Amino acid sequence: DAGITQSPRYKITETGRQVTLMCHQTWSHSYMFWYRQDLGHGLRLIYYSAAADITDKGEVPDGYVVSRSKTENFPLTLESATRSQTSVYFCASRPGTSGSANEQFFGPGTRLTVL
Amino acid sequence: AQSVTQPDIHITVSEGASLELRCNYSYGATPYLFWYVQSPGQGLQLLLKYFSGDTLVQGIKGFEAEFKRSQSSFNLRKPSVHWSDAAEYFCAVGETGANNLFFGTGTRLTIIP
Repeated sequence: DAGITQSPRYKITETGRQVTLMCHQTWSHSYMFWYRQDLGHGLRLIYYSAAADITDKGEVPDGYVVSRSKTENFPLTLESATRSQTSVYFCASRPGTSGSANEQFFGPGTRLTVL
Repeated sequence: AQSVTQPDIHITVSEGASLELRCNYSYGATPYLFWYVQSPGQGLQLLLKYFSGDTLVQGIKGFEAEFKRSQSSFNLRKPSVHWSDAAEYFCAVGETGANNLFFGTGTRLTIIP
């Protein structure tokens, strides 16, 4: 299916475990983003990528690792999950032209619970 | 640094009534402004956006927003809400040369019969 997908949609894990959230887009958008959504904070940017093998930190990168070996995939890894990382995670993508003037397209989200 | 303020955390409106959701931003130049809607359990969908030109922009689902530079505002409006408009609404701001958007904390809209 075309669009942007995230997997898993729901994940429960334990403190200290490594977790990887997957994001896949079929538009060949050059930019991809990871946000976390928490009550009272809206969406906060964790990491973004301008192209394959180019990533940069956002507002709240601590405890997260990203990679982008292929344009269409942008996985987010929690190396050692903590309870404070319980959140809903959204992946987004947009074309590379026109900078942040371009609309971002969002995936359906992954609800992560860290026990 | 950019900031986006949505002063209303939760708004309740009767079906058929008009709606205005407030958004204020802090940015020196003309920003890129967006309104997104998030239905329960879903991702965010773009309602409308403003880059330049006409300060009143029309979006999907009957929504419109007006950019007021003097007030640093980009309020979202709808003349008559439907029960299906119940959702969370996010205002977002981008800027020239930046790669990402800055989001407000959201306004949750409840519709009562």
